[in-house]
Amino acid sequence: DAKTTQPPSMDCAEGRAANLPCNHSTISGNEYVYWYRQIHSQGPQYIIHGLKNNETNEMASLIITEDRKSSTLILPHATLRDTAVYYCIVRVNNAGNMLTFGGGTRLMVKP
Amino acid sequence: GAVVSQHPSRVICKSGTSVKIECRSLDFQATTMFWYRQFPKKSLMLMATSNEGSKATYEQGVEKDKFLINHASLTLSTLTVTSAHPEDSSFYICSAKIYNEQFFGPGTRLTVL
Repeated sequence: DAKTTQPPSMDCAEGRAANLPCNHSTISGNEYVYWYRQIHSQGPQYIIHGLKNNETNEMASLIITEDRKSSTLILPHATLRDTAVYYCIVRVNNAGNMLTFGGGTRLMVKP
Repeated sequence: GAVVSQHPSRVICKSGTSVKIECRSLDFQATTMFWYRQFPKKSLMLMATSNEGSKATYEQGVEKDKFLINHASLTLSTLTVTSAHPEDSSFYICSAKIYNEQFFGPGTRLTVL
């Protein structure tokens, strides 16, 4: 799986949009971009994933650059409960693959 | 999404004892489950891949005789930490795979005194 680079930490004001970047310059054509988050002392939670088109669901939006070498996870209106470590993972979407976690970004949402 | 449970959520044991952690897929069958370990302020590290009806596949550096994995049914995998020592204290997380997606359990915090 391609490696990813994320800033170790970010702050965001409550109610504002949180934009979490991820670099994956060595991504292959068949690798998807996945985002998970882990709230303190809990298991990781799936957020969103995409291949090349931008994606949106009830939790977040995923913006993938045209060259697919980077992406941004957007939480449109961050709340205190969004404080967590956010992991960007790229992987081939097949049955044999497990998720490999990097360092992630520790997002602190402040009142 | 699919639900994965772990039991116990927290366990404290004495050094030298063995501890069993259960991972269950509640509303789906999982032929493959994964076990991760996470130290404080660190990322998740894959320990092993558990396949129903066959031996687990361990990652490099993980002692298979110390971390016994049994995947006896399509909804249950167990991790037994044998002869636990304080350095085994960690947060253990399982995940179950359905189709191409992984769903994670809530984790088990093990403290070895």
